[in-house]
Amino acid sequence: NAGVTQTPKFQVLKTGQSMTLQCAQDMNHEYMSWYRQDPGMGLRLIHYSVGAGITDQGEVPNGYNVSRSTTEDFPLRLLSAAPSQTSVYFCASTLAGGTSTDTQYFGPGTRLTVL
Amino acid sequence: SQKIEQNSEALNIQEGKTATLTCNYTNYSPAYLQWYRQDPGRGPVFLLLIRENEKEKRKERLKVTFDTTLKQSLFHITASQPADSATYLCALDLGGSQGNLIFGKGTKLSVKP
Repeated sequence: NAGVTQTPKFQVLKTGQSMTLQCAQDMNHEYMSWYRQDPGMGLRLIHYSVGAGITDQGEVPNGYNVSRSTTEDFPLRLLSAAPSQTSVYFCASTLAGGTSTDTQYFGPGTRLTVL
Repeated sequence: SQKIEQNSEALNIQEGKTATLTCNYTNYSPAYLQWYRQDPGRGPVFLLLIRENEKEKRKERLKVTFDTTLKQSLFHITASQPADSATYLCALDLGGSQGNLIFGKGTKLSVKP
């Protein structure tokens, strides 16, 4: 298994540009999520999905969209990039959320810089 | 709202000593508490999970304790090695249907030879 994969690894955008961060997992996990990690702050949840066709907002959803058309893929879209979205983005998946004791498996991250 | 604090940004210890990292939380008691390791430029990797009704959990040189009265978890690495140098994150799992985790900011551990 490749686990959780993310592309691209690095990206530089100009303010106002849009882009999609890709995330895929091959473990047949139902639950997927996106976090951002900023210096001096913990990982913060952006959006999550408990299964194909179901998404919901996390702690910091503004400026981001997600969709979940398949179990495997969970792309994160930046609609109009802003310098405040400069961060490292991690995608994670787990077999099931909530009462399950399954751990979260994280991807390698995408380092995004918005100029 | 739930808060989680790892009270040391950095911890420097000598090889062979025991490293002890602290995680404190406020408000609601989590259903589970998890510890992750993160190396520079990489995603977090799961280490241990402890349930609210467990006092202690061990895995090789790692030990986690969970004190719901003190609202605190301690993470120990015994016989520490330079390869243990990394940032360690604790995360609260409040349960529920989403399985969301609330992460601390992490403690950067440096083990000197």
